[in-house]
Amino acid sequence: SSALTQAPSVSVSPGQTATITCSGEKLGDKFVSWYQQKPGQSPLLIIYQDFKRPSGVPERFSGTTSGNTATLTISGTQVVDEGDYYCQTWDRTAACVFGTGTNLAVL
Amino acid sequence: RLQLQESGPRLVKPSETLSLTCSVSGGALTNGTYYWGWIRQPPGKGLEWIGNIDYSGATYYSPSLKSRVTLSRDISNNHFSLKLTSVTAADTAVYFCARGVGSCAGECYIDYFQSWGHGTLLTVSS
Repeated sequence: SSALTQAPSVSVSPGQTATITCSGEKLGDKFVSWYQQKPGQSPLLIIYQDFKRPSGVPERFSGTTSGNTATLTISGTQVVDEGDYYCQTWDRTAACVFGTGTNLAVL
Repeated sequence: RLQLQESGPRLVKPSETLSLTCSVSGGALTNGTYYWGWIRQPPGKGLEWIGNIDYSGATYYSPSLKSRVTLSRDISNNHFSLKLTSVTAADTAVYFCARGVGSCAGECYIDYFQSWGHGTLLTVSS
């Protein structure tokens, strides 16, 4: 299957580590990107090619991919990190695929 | 600095054709190995890829929308366009244009979307 599955929501306390996972067939064999989207805004690329950060993205965002799972980790989560997070990859059969999205709440 | 701006009607009737344009400034459509594309997001839902047109004019479409989608580009005016035929209420969404980065190794693929437009809400209703 080309679907990418994410937990609908994740909650974390300020300063703690948030972990958002993305599951899909043989994700470890593909490049995975991550996007942050805040209400009313367009998505923002925060991780590409599994673990690389675009210029300007804080170091507290990191990514790893192994097996069937890609993981976005936010260390020292801040209230400003609240929003929706989407993973994305390219699947040879389904082309570009986005994950189902995870809403991160920082409480 | 690259900027993308979506434009087009905000309301389309069922069964008609949706047409949107993305105007690009700060970067030419034929420069580099970029993939210019469209992603949509129904209200309250997730992102769905529609398709891309690359620097050479080659097109890539979502299998689920392929029969209804056409992407094209106007190099002289530096914009690219989306046409989606036979629209229904299910096509109501915010439509984003974006610049993708990818490569070709036997076959071409889009790696990630590095720049996005602000998006435009298109409603399908009679």
